[in-house]
Amino acid sequence: GQQLNQSPQSMFIQEGEDVSMNCTSSSIFNTWLWYKQDPGEGPVLLIALYKAGELTSNGRLTAQFGITRKDSFLNISASIPSDVGIYFCAGRHTSYGKLTFGQGTILTVHP
Amino acid sequence: ETGVTQSPTHLIKTRGQQVTLRCSSQSGHNTVSWYQQALGQGPQFIFQYYREEENGRGNFPPRFSGLQFPNYSSELNVNALELDDSALYLCASSLGRGTPKTQYFGPGTRLLVL
Repeated sequence: GQQLNQSPQSMFIQEGEDVSMNCTSSSIFNTWLWYKQDPGEGPVLLIALYKAGELTSNGRLTAQFGITRKDSFLNISASIPSDVGIYFCAGRHTSYGKLTFGQGTILTVHP
Repeated sequence: ETGVTQSPTHLIKTRGQQVTLRCSSQSGHNTVSWYQQALGQGPQFIFQYYREEENGRGNFPPRFSGLQFPNYSSELNVNALELDDSALYLCASSLGRGTPKTQYFGPGTRLLVL
């Protein structure tokens, strides 16, 4: 099935470093979302973006909805060990709420 | 904790068998969506139920079927299991077909088909 192109696939960083990941699509989305998934859990919503060009923050996390509506990025500043997990982007372009997910970025933070 | 529960947590079946997975939505939520997450992949949309009716379906064959009950809990049924059906099955409940901010995922059921 269709999936978004999310990169990088994995990141190994030192505590305190900033992180950036992005997502691109061949189709337009009306909503971009970023989720974090921990082992044994379902995805948890971090940030939702509803308008092209929108820049939204949630604590140390910042995400942007690309102007073309075909891409989005997520930045994490000053990473900490509990940031470890898998981050997914997701797009939505239908009113009934079907989400199309990226393949995920595995983040490892070394203390 | 989201208030969305799924059962069982783990399940092992053999090829050709049938399986039923269950989801209890968060109190007050009337919409349930089901996703399949293969190992190392993002979740893939299977279908959504809104007020007991199917309200959208992804690219999955008819042997994947579902139900939503008057209390808005839901079941996912898979017939004639295949090896590729091995995955984590997630349900997500929301209020209406509505905004992602009201949608919460359960912890999933991990299905292994041998």
